[in-house]
Amino acid sequence: EPEVTQTPSHQVTQMGQEVILRCVPISNHLYFYWYRQILGQKVEFLVSFYNNEISEKSEIFDDQFSVERPDGSNFTLKIRSTKLEDSAMYFCASRAVRGDGYTFGSGTRLTVV
Amino acid sequence: DAKTTQPPSMDCAEGRAANLPCNHSTISGNEYVYWYRQIHSQGPQYIIHGLKNNETNEMASLIITEDRKSSTLILPHATLRDTAVYYCIVRVGSNTDKLIFGTGTRLQVFP
Repeated sequence: EPEVTQTPSHQVTQMGQEVILRCVPISNHLYFYWYRQILGQKVEFLVSFYNNEISEKSEIFDDQFSVERPDGSNFTLKIRSTKLEDSAMYFCASRAVRGDGYTFGSGTRLTVV
Repeated sequence: DAKTTQPPSMDCAEGRAANLPCNHSTISGNEYVYWYRQIHSQGPQYIIHGLKNNETNEMASLIITEDRKSSTLILPHATLRDTAVYYCIVRVGSNTDKLIFGTGTRLQVFP
């Protein structure tokens, strides 16, 4: 069964450092997403991406965040200057067409120290 | 945005059917009901979705009431591996396809 692959599974970074979280969506999918889940809290939407541009973003997704699909296969989330409160599980997801269910990756646990 | 209400927790014996209810009384005509689950801290897993008619796939069945104000996810023969948090989500609006996760129902399947 096709999978969404996320790397690394766990990343520790110092506050103020830049991090890039990587995702390889399912190959024929067209819609891409990032969500995050702070420990013990709800899964929160960050951003959706379609046709090489952001289609929607949440209030969480401020100027410190950016997304990119640099080579047609990878989909990355960059946090420019990490804060302690950015510590969370970050989930990438993709889907083929609107209305389909999402396929989520297994997540990257980001720990900011 | 249509909101959903789910019981915080449920128990089910292994091998029995698990029936997870969801209320979505403010759902609009073009909004679908989606079900996902999350096992431990893994990524959410899509289960099933529907608009009006009942749906069935290899994982579960979805029963939507005629007025669409509530639905039930049925796991016909629950196993220990079905222990998870189950989320009922109404897709938000017609121009956006983000998912708004609530707190879900924590299903505990016991031997």
